[in-house]
Amino acid sequence: QQQVKQSPQSLIVQKGGIPIINCAYENTAFDYFPWYQQFPGKGPALLIAIRPDVSEKKEGRFTISFNKSAKQFSLHIMDSQPGDSATYFCAAEGSNYKLTFGKGTLLTVNP
Amino acid sequence: ETGVTQSPTHLIKTRGQQVTLRCSSQSGHNTVSWYQQALGQGPQFIFQYYREEENGRGNFPPRFSGLQFPNYSSELNVNALELDDSALYLCASSFWDRGTEAFFGQGTRLTVV
Repeated sequence: QQQVKQSPQSLIVQKGGIPIINCAYENTAFDYFPWYQQFPGKGPALLIAIRPDVSEKKEGRFTISFNKSAKQFSLHIMDSQPGDSATYFCAAEGSNYKLTFGKGTLLTVNP
Repeated sequence: ETGVTQSPTHLIKTRGQQVTLRCSSQSGHNTVSWYQQALGQGPQFIFQYYREEENGRGNFPPRFSGLQFPNYSSELNVNALELDDSALYLCASSFWDRGTEAFFGQGTRLTVV
């Protein structure tokens, strides 16, 4: 049972574009939603996170939008750069402090 | 880079063997979680340790076991290795009271042949 569904599986944008990655969850007990960035051969690195009492959070070029009623959240990357090319994972966490990850989105930003 | 270090970085084992992976948590963190990441997939939760005791387990068989030491470092042990155990094994440390902001190590790439 996949509790966090992520789309698209892959995404190609031009430099300066705004890639958007979407996630949907089923478990209403989730109360913390982080996004991780992973480069090949590296562990995931925390990018930005949000709690369900907030509808939007911005940190630098990264923005999370959160829709609690639809049980959906998304990551927007403003002014994307070739260095942003990586795999992005959404995740969700409940009271058991266990992270449930989406399957990932491979982002390619062309120069 | 996070303060979470894992060793070794790469490992090749034969089917049926046993393996031990190690993790040093970030300073100030008292909780360690282990994840398995198959190629092209998201990390899957194996188990979590807090105060040297297992505190939650994912859908993994008992041949996956672990330890947490008084200094909060941790080990993941896998017995009777199977080909499907080939994956990147990730350790994440966090501070229990917040239970969030997990920081991952670079992982151990295990190949079972």
